[in-house]
Amino acid sequence: GAVVSQHPSRVICKSGTSVKIECRSLDFQATTMFWYRQFPKKSLMLMATSNEGSKATYEQGVEKDKFLINHASLTLSTLTVTSAHPEDSSFYICSARTSGWDEQFFGPGTRLTVL
Amino acid sequence: RKEVEQDPGPFNVPEGATVAFNCTYSNSASQSFFWYRQDCRKEPKLLMSVYSSGNEDGRFTAQLNRASQYISLLIRDSKLSDSATYLCVVKRFNDMRFGAGTRLTVKP
Repeated sequence: GAVVSQHPSRVICKSGTSVKIECRSLDFQATTMFWYRQFPKKSLMLMATSNEGSKATYEQGVEKDKFLINHASLTLSTLTVTSAHPEDSSFYICSARTSGWDEQFFGPGTRLTVL
Repeated sequence: RKEVEQDPGPFNVPEGATVAFNCTYSNSASQSFFWYRQDCRKEPKLLMSVYSSGNEDGRFTAQLNRASQYISLLIRDSKLSDSATYLCVVKRFNDMRFGAGTRLTVKP
């Protein structure tokens, strides 16, 4: 099956720093990648959708200047949390799909803790 | 109103029990429907797609009622390994919306 990786799996950082999370599709070309955030005991909330080579589309309420998304190639998308604050602490999960596929494949997630 | 609503749970059942989860969705233009399983601190994994005709995969049966905008998942002969959170997922074009999930714990 299709494999999606994320790096790092866990990150702890100080308030005010920026954190970059990578999402890679390992064995297929991801024309579309999605970034989700999940707080404890809550559902996955879509943050943004990115198509390779174009700007990401952000969901309402998600600050595009705070959560920078780059999808520069068909196998890599990055999410940068800028000037992180403790309220940004969450589980960030990416998923990827390619044209013609109904299913999305999820990465293993990145647990971000901002002190 | 949330776009996808599920039974709040938690469901605590003994091994061998049959358990059913329900889900309703608000967007009548939704096109595809899924059940995902998510283990604690892990990513969601596709359990099964849901079709109007109903579909079965081993001990799991999924049903979709488009008129009522209702989806169900039935698990028969529960195993300890079925303990997880089950997410109802509704999709329209590229847009997937997740329910908050229903926590299932199967006990010996």
